[in-house]
Amino acid sequence: GAGVSQSPSNKVTEKGKDVELRCDPISGHTALYWYRQSLGQGLEFLIYFQGNSAPDKSGLPSDRFSAERTGGSVSTLTIQRTQQEDSAVYLCASSLTGGTDNEKLFFGSGTQLSVL
Amino acid sequence: AQKITQTQPGMFVQEKEAVTLDCTYDTSDPSYGLFWYKQPSSGEMIFLIYQGSYDQQNATEGRYSLNFQKARKSANLVISASQLGDSAMYFCAMREVTGFQKLVFGTGTRLLVSP
Repeated sequence: GAGVSQSPSNKVTEKGKDVELRCDPISGHTALYWYRQSLGQGLEFLIYFQGNSAPDKSGLPSDRFSAERTGGSVSTLTIQRTQQEDSAVYLCASSLTGGTDNEKLFFGSGTQLSVL
Repeated sequence: AQKITQTQPGMFVQEKEAVTLDCTYDTSDPSYGLFWYKQPSSGEMIFLIYQGSYDQQNATEGRYSLNFQKARKSANLVISASQLGDSAMYFCAMREVTGFQKLVFGTGTRLLVSP
């Protein structure tokens, strides 16, 4: 596929469990973003990977949230000890370099996380 | 720190009318890019239009145009000849260029187009 791929598309978990969300960006894209969108709300920035630079983690809401990007490609967002307020759609996006002002983001279809 | 403000939580427009969705931004970076995305009820994010801070002319893409007023730090989206399919959430976003900055989004405006 040519687009950004996210899995799973839906995840239901119990409070206190850990979850892993996966993002496979467009091949060749060096910039990767994670956003969170609560029901009816805007996009909340979580974390940004740009090439081999240290990621911008300034949007992670707590230390229960972490993300990795292995080999400059696939990224995994991990939420430990999930809480009900973590329920949201988690969107991943990628762009070619992240270094030009006109570079648009390509979004995946998101992972709907429900914490019971 | 960059900031995007969309003050209209919801807007209504009749089919075939034009509508303006407001967006203001705050940045100290002289070089930045402004984007508008559409999010229909299906949830996908659709890129609509881009405006660079050094562009002399307002961007246009079909029925979409961006009213860029740099001195006022506003980048309003104008949709002409609204269609029922334009009903969606609309997000304004900005990227500062210095230092490979992230794209930051506003809170969005929900547009409802009525027949």
